[in-house]
Amino acid sequence: GESVGLHLPTLSVQEGDNSIINCAYSNSASDYFIWYKQESGKGPQFIIDIRSNMDKRQGQRVTVLLNKTVKHLSLQIAATQPGDSAVYFCAEGGGSGGYNKLIFGAGTRLAVHP
Amino acid sequence: DAGVIQSPRHEVTEMGQEVTLRCKPISGHNSLFWYRQTMMRGLELLIYFNNNVPIDDSGMPEDRFSAKMPNASFSTLKIQPSEPRDSAVYFCASSFGGSAKNIQYFGAGTRLSVL
Repeated sequence: GESVGLHLPTLSVQEGDNSIINCAYSNSASDYFIWYKQESGKGPQFIIDIRSNMDKRQGQRVTVLLNKTVKHLSLQIAATQPGDSAVYFCAEGGGSGGYNKLIFGAGTRLAVHP
Repeated sequence: DAGVIQSPRHEVTEMGQEVTLRCKPISGHNSLFWYRQTMMRGLELLIYFNNNVPIDDSGMPEDRFSAKMPNASFSTLKIQPSEPRDSAVYFCASSFGGSAKNIQYFGAGTRLSVL
């Protein structure tokens, strides 16, 4: 989910479990959505994206779901591994800002425990 | 593929000093972005360029901040004079396209500390 201020929401999961990270976006005109993963000390890394004409898109061990009615996006990670521990950001684009001007959410920290 | 290259990785300076951050985008990309990341405000877009031309600098906080892109393979973000509240991690990203979708690839960032 989203958060404002100093503290990122944290999702703690056991290794091997599935993880679901949620994101509420703000602009109903946005038609492009993207998930990034940021490990400590590194820049955000692209994971997967989805256009608004789709409800679901799958990648390798990841699935993004889009619910335009309630402006909600989720990232599902199957069989979560310790290497998945990071902060995950959703971003929205399109709309009046165009596709260059991505608006990033506050992020969710994923902690994977052995 | 080298990815987006930023330098320096870390910069510590004193208030009032000039700071210059550098970025080399991925070869062939035609859009370049500068972001600032802080705990309080998250990841904020400062400015972006298309084909070396600044398109939107509405995120640049003050006149103390300036960015240039003299050619397709190099950009700078300058802060003069720097202040403690400028302390943050600054990211550069690049992309190719900007039409149907835009995957931005980020550098490792420059961690700036202004004392």
